[in-house]
Amino acid sequence: DVKVTQSSRYLVKRTGEKVFLECVQDMDHENMFWYRQDPGLGLRLIYFSYDVKMKEKGDIPEGYSVSREKKERFSLILESASTNQTSMYLCASSGGGLAGWNEQFFGPGTRLTVL
Amino acid sequence: AQKITQTQPGMFVQEKEAVTLDCTYDTSDPSYGLFWYKQPSSGEMIFLIYQGSYDQQNATEGRYSLNFQKARKSANLVISASQLGDSAMYFCAMREVGNNRLAFGKGNQVVVIP
Repeated sequence: DVKVTQSSRYLVKRTGEKVFLECVQDMDHENMFWYRQDPGLGLRLIYFSYDVKMKEKGDIPEGYSVSREKKERFSLILESASTNQTSMYLCASSGGGLAGWNEQFFGPGTRLTVL
Repeated sequence: AQKITQTQPGMFVQEKEAVTLDCTYDTSDPSYGLFWYKQPSSGEMIFLIYQGSYDQQNATEGRYSLNFQKARKSANLVISASQLGDSAMYFCAMREVGNNRLAFGKGNQVVVIP
């Protein structure tokens, strides 16, 4: 069974703080993703990574950065948290290769509140 | 442009009845995959079913089936014999060939009532 874990289920931070959200998967997946989910907007892709040290911007990368130093770990960084970054953050992973149609497996989510 | 459209308002369905959730998509790519996910109140996204654009038959997984109408670019999810545990948000998503990304719709809320 694929397992994707996220470092926190709930997190409260203050405006201007640097925030790290950690995601770990245990299935040797090549691809990892960070989404944010807001009511009425569905899931929006922030960043994704298809290999160690590789990253690509998603649809809403502004205000975020990512790090992937090891295959199993993908970190989302809010350099200076702002109140409009209050949201649910979901991490996902999937296999890669030419087969290409692997579904994404999601972590439990981190509900971040920025005060 | 929005690639996945889910426009139904929140739905109430009687236990043991079937429910259909609408999803339309937009792509010019001949090769793509369509996915449905369930998100209960706990927040975790659970994969339900997958349909490939070249699949000849509609996908089925237990009580879930996908009504795939390629010409209409429609991929509706059908849940048969609804159970209370089916109450959740349901998301349709699409992946185009050569693209690791999934494009998600905004979701459909389903509440199953006893």
